[in-house]
Amino acid sequence: DIQMTQSPSSLSASVGDRVTITCRASENINNFLNWYQQKPGKAPNLLIYAASNLQNGVPSRFSGSASGTHFTLTISSLQPEDFTTYFCQQSHTTPYTFGQGTKVEIK
Amino acid sequence: QVQLQESGPGLVKPSQTLSLTCTVSGGSITSGVRYWTWIRQFPGKGLEWIGYIHYNGFTYYNPSLKSRLTISVDTSKSQFSLQLSSMTAADTAVYYCARGYTYCDSWGPGTLVTVSS
Repeated sequence: DIQMTQSPSSLSASVGDRVTITCRASENINNFLNWYQQKPGKAPNLLIYAASNLQNGVPSRFSGSASGTHFTLTISSLQPEDFTTYFCQQSHTTPYTFGQGTKVEIK
Repeated sequence: QVQLQESGPGLVKPSQTLSLTCTVSGGSITSGVRYWTWIRQFPGKGLEWIGYIHYNGFTYYNPSLKSRLTISVDTSKSQFSLQLSSMTAADTAVYYCARGYTYCDSWGPGTLVTVSS
């Protein structure tokens, strides 16, 4: 299975900060990388698909980028509702696999 | 706006078979994306892709579960289902149904399944 390594596992930031979360694939996944946001007690919500495509209805402060097997989710200006957990997921090779998650906490 | 809702038992005894159903509303199970997925989340928060089904019955199962797993679809009821046999404590998780297969853009709220005697 392809291993997805997310970093950091948690971070502390303030409202208005620019935040970057990284996901590294154990092999080439040709930008088949998706990002989800999950709030406590809720299902994950799709933010970005195919590395850099913003899902309909997702605020433009969220963006995704790719460089080889390294992928980045950036939140340009953290809002109060963004303090929660984020997961990456590869959809290049079955079984599709997820990163372990990054929790964004209030500093 | 498509909506999904999982239903099934919240408690299963070890060695029993789990049966869950996902009901799709607000859209057709046979149009649009047409692939439907099951994903689970363990108590430690890790996510696992269980498998998916196309409305025509084509399925993909995670090899780690393949020997115990069956996913089926009933287009007349706009439902798809999961059966997982020989349940153990390691199968305790929140089970989600979702639309799509490479990525999922609509999810059910999830249902907690606990395996315990």
